[in-house]
Amino acid sequence: GAVVSQHPSRVICKSGTSVKIECRSLDFQATTMFWYRQFPKQSLMLMATSNEGSKATYEQGVEKDKFLINHASLTLSTLTVTSAHPEDSSFYICSAVDRRNQPQHFGDGTRLSIL
Amino acid sequence: KQEVTQIPAALSVPEGENLVLNCSFTDSAIYNLQWFRQDPGKGLTSLLLIQSSQREQTSGRLNASLDKSSGRSTLYIAASQPGDSATYLCASRGAGNMLTFGGGTRLMVKP
Repeated sequence: GAVVSQHPSRVICKSGTSVKIECRSLDFQATTMFWYRQFPKQSLMLMATSNEGSKATYEQGVEKDKFLINHASLTLSTLTVTSAHPEDSSFYICSAVDRRNQPQHFGDGTRLSIL
Repeated sequence: KQEVTQIPAALSVPEGENLVLNCSFTDSAIYNLQWFRQDPGKGLTSLLLIQSSQREQTSGRLNASLDKSSGRSTLYIAASQPGDSATYLCASRGAGNMLTFGGGTRLMVKP
């Protein structure tokens, strides 16, 4: 089945550090990738949608200069949390689809902890 | 804007019980409804996907139903086992392959 790999699985870093999270589709070409954030005991909230080769579309309330998304190839999207602060600590999950109407395939998530 | 609600938020049952998890959504114009399982600190595992034209889907001990007109879906788990303990999320799919998730039901099955 379709596999999405997310790396790293866990990051602990100091406040002010920028952190990059990678999301790769291993056995299919991902025309669209989604980034979600999940706070403890809460559900997934969509942050942004990225299509290969174009700018990401951010959901209301998500700062595009804070959360930089790059989808430069059909198998890789990255989310960079710039100048991270403790309130950015969360579980970040990506998903990918190969064609517009297909189910999303999810990565295993990245636990980000900012000290 | 679509809103998805799951009831109950948490559930604890003894092993062997049959149980029902509920999911409701406000906008019935959905493409499909999907149920996921999430273990602590992990990503999502897709369990069942019901297309808007379907009424139910079954996989092993799991059965999911969909009633679009009433904006409801249920996940039925038969003969629950301790290994079923996890958070169960439902998500409706709208235009542009956008998923809207419910808040989840945290299930604990006690041996």
